Amino acid sequence: GESVGLHLPTLSVQEGDNSIINCAYSNSASDYFIWYKQESGKGPQFIIDIRSNMDKRQGQRVTVLLNKTVKHLSLQIAATQPGDSAVYFCAESIDSGYSTLTFGKGTMLLVSP
Amino acid sequence: DTEVTQTPKHLVMGMTNKKSLKCEQHMGHRAMYWYKQKAKKPPELMFVYSYEKLSINESVPSRFSPECPNSSLLNLHLHALQPEDSALYLCASSQDPGSTEAFFGQGTRLTVV
Repeated sequence: GESVGLHLPTLSVQEGDNSIINCAYSNSASDYFIWYKQESGKGPQFIIDIRSNMDKRQGQRVTVLLNKTVKHLSLQIAATQPGDSAVYFCAESIDSGYSTLTFGKGTMLLVSP
Repeated sequence: DTEVTQTPKHLVMGMTNKKSLKCEQHMGHRAMYWYKQKAKKPPELMFVYSYEKLSINESVPSRFSPECPNSSLLNLHLHALQPEDSALYLCASSQDPGSTEAFFGQGTRLTVV
């Protein structure tokens, strides 16, 4: 079964707001946690990853936070734009030599102008 | 060229047909993947090819047969499919087998009638 899931199926925000997308995971053995974005009609697109021995990582307008105590992962998007509207998946990977991504259920982010 | 190209974009096939999905990348990536995605669900890993060799088969039924003719191409041969196999089939590639950053194609929307 799935070991990665999301709390909110849909998140609606106004343009310019900060967005926070949450994810719960259950596999403590995962070495990496990753966020992917999937726009309508497209394949998933890598956003950012974080190794399990880190608790925070920042990218361009995005920050990923990892709380291993409560097995929680979040993606923060600063100054959300209409182009950020998409389904966001968290995923996990075990460093076995192969990138076998296990995706969570997904959260739809809707950004209103 | 940072694209993964999949053909065809759409495919309708009968349960007795034989068809093939094709995937191509020219990024020099050494790992390629097939994922299956049902509507409103996350992608699920089917196969992993590493250095042109099948490394992982996630217990996929034999009516799906992958093939990696060379380092740039990945095929998925389909035979005697069932209506429940209707889904979006996504191809992805990564620089090396352990990378968490996978590049996905747009997918082939398959309908089995």
